[in-house]
Amino acid sequence: AQKVTQAQTEISVVEKEDVTLDCVYETRDTTYYLFWYKQPPSGELVFLIRRNSFDEQNEISGRYSWNFQKSTSSFNFTITASQVVDSAVYFCALHTGANSKLTFGKGITLSVRP
Amino acid sequence: DGGITQSPKYLFRKEGQNVTLSCEQNLNHDAMYWYRQDPGQGLRLIYYSQIVNDFQKGDIAEGYSVSREKKESFPLTVTSAQKNPTAFYLCASSISSGLEQYFGPGTRLTVT
Repeated sequence: AQKVTQAQTEISVVEKEDVTLDCVYETRDTTYYLFWYKQPPSGELVFLIRRNSFDEQNEISGRYSWNFQKSTSSFNFTITASQVVDSAVYFCALHTGANSKLTFGKGITLSVRP
Repeated sequence: DGGITQSPKYLFRKEGQNVTLSCEQNLNHDAMYWYRQDPGQGLRLIYYSQIVNDFQKGDIAEGYSVSREKKESFPLTVTSAQKNPTAFYLCASSISSGLEQYFGPGTRLTVT
């Protein structure tokens, strides 16, 4: 069975602080995909990144970076120099070849204070 | 602009009534999905469709029904059999299964 755990439920930081959102996943499949989505107050989920299980290279996109470590089954997301506009709920999700659905974590509510 | 539209944004119904939520996409995606989101919860899959005229139950399909007669459209009916229908409903699509899903703005359904 697939499972995604986002142990942090709420994080509050002051603008310009760095913040890391943790994601731990479980699967027996060797081929899988990991995703991060952002859900701003408007409600619509915004796709941020997809990573496949064979690519452990870390990725950086502007202030966002992702650290994928198969050894610890983690796919953590770091926001550098956070901004108020980063305030949202962030979801980590897992897709495996065994089925056609995404398994979502429960999300982390990030609040960035000015 | 390409995207996914869901209408209406807010929907109110009386208990015992069926209600249909609309989802349309012009991204030419084969796969479409319906999710339910409750406060403090992740998204739970209701139904998904990988191709026209075919769909499968997700984790919480009871009390819901769907159809996929056109590639662009995947309406969800919340029936009176759904015990707790008040929730935020999100529709998504992807080029094919396994790739990133793109989401609509959601419909917030309140049943009283």
